[in-house]
Order: sequence, then C-alpha cells, then structure tokens
Amino acid sequence: DTGVSQNPRHKITKRGQNVTFRCDPISEHNRLYWYRQTLGQGPEFLTYFQNEAQLEKSRLLSDRFSAERPKGSFSTLEIQRTEQGDSAMYLCASSSGQGLYGYTFGSGTRLTVV
Amino acid sequence: QKEVEQNSGPLSVPEGAIASLNCTYSDRGSQSFFWYRQYSGKSPELIMSIYSNGDKEDGRFTAQLNKASQYVSLLIRDSQPSDSATYLCAVNARSNSGYALNFGKGTSLLVTP
Repeated sequence: DTGVSQNPRHKITKRGQNVTFRCDPISEHNRLYWYRQTLGQGPEFLTYFQNEAQLEKSRLLSDRFSAERPKGSFSTLEIQRTEQGDSAMYLCASSSGQGLYGYTFGSGTRLTVV
Repeated sequence: QKEVEQNSGPLSVPEGAIASLNCTYSDRGSQSFFWYRQYSGKSPELIMSIYSNGDKEDGRFTAQLNKASQYVSLLIRDSQPSDSATYLCAVNARSNSGYALNFGKGTSLLVTP
C-alpha cells in the first residue's frame, strides 16, 4: 500500500468553473477526511466519511461543496462555481477506527482560482 | 468551537539546541494529542502522539501532556537544520458524530546552522 493518494496535485481554474478532486485512502482504513488549508493556517476540517456514510460536515462546507465516497473506497470532493476564496490546499486523510491514533494525510491538491 | 492554540512564531534556535513548542486546547474531553510536522508546500506528517499525562520520548522528540492544564508540548533535542518546518498541534476532540482532529495554526521553527 502506497499511502493516501490524491489527484490532481495542482489545479488552476477560472472563477465560476467546477472542479473535482479525488482521494484514494489506505485500503484498510474505514474513515476518510477532507481538510482545507490556506497559507499560514492549520488544516481546517471539512467533512468525513465512515465507509460510505458521510457522518459530519463543517459549517465551512458551503452548498457549493459536495463530497462522496461511493462503495466506501475512494472519495471525491467537488466545488461548484469556484470563487477566488476557494484557493487553498485540499488535504485528504484516512484512519482506522475512530482515528484516535492519528490520521495519515495525502500529498494534497493545490487549487488556484484565477 | 473546539480551539487549539499555538504561538505562530517563528521560533529560531541554533543548531544543537533544544526547541520547545507549546499548544493549549479547549475541549476537556479530548483523548488523543498529536504533533505533525509540515514542510513548506508539503502535507502534514505525524511525528508524535500522546494519550496520557506525562512525557513520551521517541528519539530526539519528547511530547508532554498535562490534561489538567490542557497543555501539550513538543521538545526537539539536538535540533538540526532539517527540523526547520511548521509544527502543527492536533487534538482529537469530540464532535457531533464522534471525534475529529482539530489543528492549531502551527508554529514555524527555524534551526540556524
């Protein structure tokens, strides 16, 4: 297993366009998390899944954001009608159990909205 | 809002010195505490975890936890220039559906040769 994989690594998009990111977690991990990180800030929680069920969403996750994890394997995060304020690093992480022993992060997807 | 607070720094220490990084948290029900290291442009990497009061040592790193004071710290002994990075404190705090990892803003550490 090569860890948590995220694609693409970088994405530049024009304001108003839709973008979709993919995350492939560690195969034996049942929990998958999405975080967003802007410059000078720590990662901010967006949402998480246990298997295919989305258990919690942050207030940061506006209605332009949607995440899915079909079949409890990979996950996608879609941002519709992107805004310049969406520019950030989008981090995916996975864990076993309730994550009480820490999360493993992917390399992230850096989004730039121009 | 479950808060995790860190001094943003930068903290500058000479090579070979001890770097001391501190973190406070607000949720008394937190059970797990982590330190992540993040190099510029990279994703966070887990370097230490601690679950009970006291010290936990792993190589040059020592994590300290005081739940009564809601305080976590990380000591890096014999600091090396390669330790220059941002160190993120993370706390597994209770959320509506279980636990979620809350991060501080990170402390930037610079180890000078």
